[in-house]
Amino acid sequence: EIVLTQSPDFQSVTPKEKVTITCRASQSIGTSLHWYQQRPDQSPKLLIKYASQSISGVPSRFSGSGSGTDFTLTINSLEAEDAAAYYCHQSSSFPWTFGQGTKVEIK
Amino acid sequence: EVQLVETGGGLIQPGGSLRLSCAASGFIVSSNYISWVRQAPGKGLEWVSVIYRGGSTYYADSVKGRFSISRDISKNTLYLQMNSLRVEDTAVYYCATTRPEDPGGFDYWGQGTLITVCS
Repeated sequence: EIVLTQSPDFQSVTPKEKVTITCRASQSIGTSLHWYQQRPDQSPKLLIKYASQSISGVPSRFSGSGSGTDFTLTINSLEAEDAAAYYCHQSSSFPWTFGQGTKVEIK
Repeated sequence: EVQLVETGGGLIQPGGSLRLSCAASGFIVSSNYISWVRQAPGKGLEWVSVIYRGGSTYYADSVKGRFSISRDISKNTLYLQMNSLRVEDTAVYYCATTRPEDPGGFDYWGQGTLITVCS
């Protein structure tokens, strides 16, 4: 099973700051890595697919990068509505897995 | 508009069985892969199972041999048959799928249905 480890687990950030969340895979997964946002009491929402591909309707301040084992989700100029948990997910091999999540709080 | 609506959740005793349904609209359930993902209270997301367009199925190790994913194309509905339920299966269960024309990740999610396993 491929283990995805996100860091940090929690981040408290001021509006307009830049946020960087990393996701490390226990073995190479190419670019089969996707990022989701889950606001409190809501279903998850796809932000980025295949490591860096943008999703229609998602604000341009969200971007992704990486390949192999190391991936990054960047939120440029954080807004209050970005308070949420963020998860990475690999679809390279079964069983598919998710990272443990990163909670972003707005100061 | 794509919609996924899960039903079938509730309170069940350990060892019991339950079948979840996910009614789809706005697309055909067999058009691409469709999955179940769960989330225990206050915890992260856990992938459970997937069924592909061709019918191939895959499962998380934690549910293999106990859960079974299927679909009824005539009803455009996905199912998850859950047997030998354990306390640790307590979670909100989501169905999720991708855009048929541009697959990758889970573009669409239902609202989830809560399963509580306790005696």
